[in-house]
Amino acid sequence: DQQVKQNSPSLSVQEGRISILNCDYTNSMFDYFLWYKKYPAEGPTFLISISSIKDKNEDGRFTVFLNKSAKHLSLHIVPSQPGDSAVYFCAAGGSNYKLTFGKGTLLTVNP
Amino acid sequence: DTAVSQTPKYLVTQMGNDKSIKCEQNLGHDTMYWYKQDSKKFLKIMFSYNNKELIINETVPNRFSPKSPDKAHLNLHINSLELGDSAVYFCASSQHGAKNIQYFGAGTRLSVL
Repeated sequence: DQQVKQNSPSLSVQEGRISILNCDYTNSMFDYFLWYKKYPAEGPTFLISISSIKDKNEDGRFTVFLNKSAKHLSLHIVPSQPGDSAVYFCAAGGSNYKLTFGKGTLLTVNP
Repeated sequence: DTAVSQTPKYLVTQMGNDKSIKCEQNLGHDTMYWYKQDSKKFLKIMFSYNNKELIINETVPNRFSPKSPDKAHLNLHINSLELGDSAVYFCASSQHGAKNIQYFGAGTRLSVL
């Protein structure tokens, strides 16, 4: 039972354009959401997070949007850079320290 | 200076062997985790310790035993290795109350032959 879903296994965008990565969840008890970035042969690196009491959080080129009624969040990267090419994981957490991860989306930013 | 470090990075072994993976964090966190990333690329929580006390114990075969000698270390011992144990194992840590921002090690790729 996948409680966190990333339905796009891959995404390809041109350098300078916007990248939009999507994530859906099913568990209403999740109250915190995170995005992680992963390069090959490395561990996931924390990127940005959002609490369920907010609908937007911005950090430089990265913005996360949360639509609680739709149980949907998205990560916007603008402008996209070749160094952003990586696998992006969406994760959701509640009060029990446990993070549930999506399967990841491979982002490729073409020069 | 690596925040969460795991050793070894690669581990190749035969079925039936016993092996350990070590994890250390220098972030001063009080909670540590073990995750497994299988061939389908899902990252799944296995165990978590808070101040050396087991707080998360997912449905994992009892051949897997975590050991936390202190807050900065969480080791994973696996007995009687099976082919299906082949995966990448990630250690992570977080600070209590830090709203689940977990910091990950680079992973240990375990191959069981």
